[in-house]
Amino acid sequence: ILNVEQSPQSLHVQEGDSTNFTCSFPSSNFYALHWYRWETAKSPEALFVMTLNGDEKKKGRISATLNTKEGYSYLYIKGSQPEDSATYLCALRMDSSYKLIFGSGTRLLVRP
Amino acid sequence: KAGVTQTPRYLIKTRGQQVTLSCSPISGHRSVSWYQQTPGQGLQFLFEYFSETQRNKGNFPGRFSGRQFSNSRSEMNVSTLELGDSALYLCASNLGTTLYNEQFFGPGTRLTVL
Repeated sequence: ILNVEQSPQSLHVQEGDSTNFTCSFPSSNFYALHWYRWETAKSPEALFVMTLNGDEKKKGRISATLNTKEGYSYLYIKGSQPEDSATYLCALRMDSSYKLIFGSGTRLLVRP
Repeated sequence: KAGVTQTPRYLIKTRGQQVTLSCSPISGHRSVSWYQQTPGQGLQFLFEYFSETQRNKGNFPGRFSGRQFSNSRSEMNVSTLELGDSALYLCASNLGTTLYNEQFFGPGTRLTVL
């Protein structure tokens, strides 16, 4: 059973701080890696779909990288804002179906 | 474009009953997946349907079943409910055209089993 691990489990930062979290996986035998942001009482929101090419993805102040050789993906948030407070999930797509294996998430709290 | 919708949003049932949850994907999306979220387990994959066929199933007992209709709408059914089935059930849809399609999630159905 593939174990997708995310660290840290939770993170408190001050508004304006930049931060990053890690998603690690034991094998690069997957199709894609997904990052989601999940705010309380809302639906998980897709941030990035990372392919095995290892390219960096960027959306505003948020960016992600994928290193399949070392078995991790980083999500960076530059200049955190209170509205960035959410749980950030990563998930692997393992086969031609759309089954995703999720990590347990990193809960981010940004203090004003 | 309307997002993924799920009904009902909240449900209270008692042990032994059965329940049916409904999911309407984004228009044009052919793949629908279901996930269960519990505090201790995180998001766990239940099953995925594509063009009315189940393509993958997670490690859940046979009490959990689903189906997809020709309009891509999907239902999942849980029979003989147990206390441990209390969870948030999320549905997700995607176009189903490439390996890298985004999955879009609905707001979920919160099931409480008493």
